[in-house]
Amino acid sequence: GENVEQHPSTLSVQEGDSAVIKCTYSDSASNYFPWYKQELGKRPQLIIDIRSNVGEKKDQRIAVTLNKTAKHFSLHITETQPEDSAVYFCAAEEGFKTIFGAGTRLFVKA
Amino acid sequence: DAGVIQSPRHEVTEMGQEVTLRCKPISGHNSLFWYRQTMMRGLELLIYFNNNVPIDDSGMPEDRFSAKMPNASFSTLKIQPSEPRDSAVYFCASRAVAGTGEQYFGPGTRLTVT
Repeated sequence: GENVEQHPSTLSVQEGDSAVIKCTYSDSASNYFPWYKQELGKRPQLIIDIRSNVGEKKDQRIAVTLNKTAKHFSLHITETQPEDSAVYFCAAEEGFKTIFGAGTRLFVKA
Repeated sequence: DAGVIQSPRHEVTEMGQEVTLRCKPISGHNSLFWYRQTMMRGLELLIYFNNNVPIDDSGMPEDRFSAKMPNASFSTLKIQPSEPRDSAVYFCASRAVAGTGEQYFGPGTRLTVT
């Protein structure tokens, strides 16, 4: 079955710096890669997603890149702000089944 | 739309007791997921329904866990008997269509089994 690995587990950056979170997946049939943000005590919420026929997608300060050959995808957050502090989960999905990475706890220091 | 609704929000029970968690998906969504979240194991998919039919329950940890979806607007996750290691946050999520796409999570039920 699908296995998703996510790194780093913890990331601390200064406000205004960029943050990059990387994930790898194992099942080449996976074709949808969402990223969810979970603030402390809250539910996960989708922030951006990418499908396998696209290499890059951007939405304001966040972007996601996908390398299907290498089976890895990354989340990029530019000009980080304190409100970006949260746990970020990548996921890989084939058909209906979503497998989540272990999460990255991002701290943005003011 | 009220979003995905879960109840109760918090549940504290003693080992051996039956626990029932409830979920109301977003109206019109035909896919429903149950997840369990712990620090040790992260977000785990327990079971997935499409059009009220269980499609994959391979994530259900043991026979003590069961889930039903009697109609398009209601699902339950039952644990009987409960054990301390079942303590976790249980999320229900729904999606508009079968296949890939955004999942909308409920607020979760924090279960503590003593």
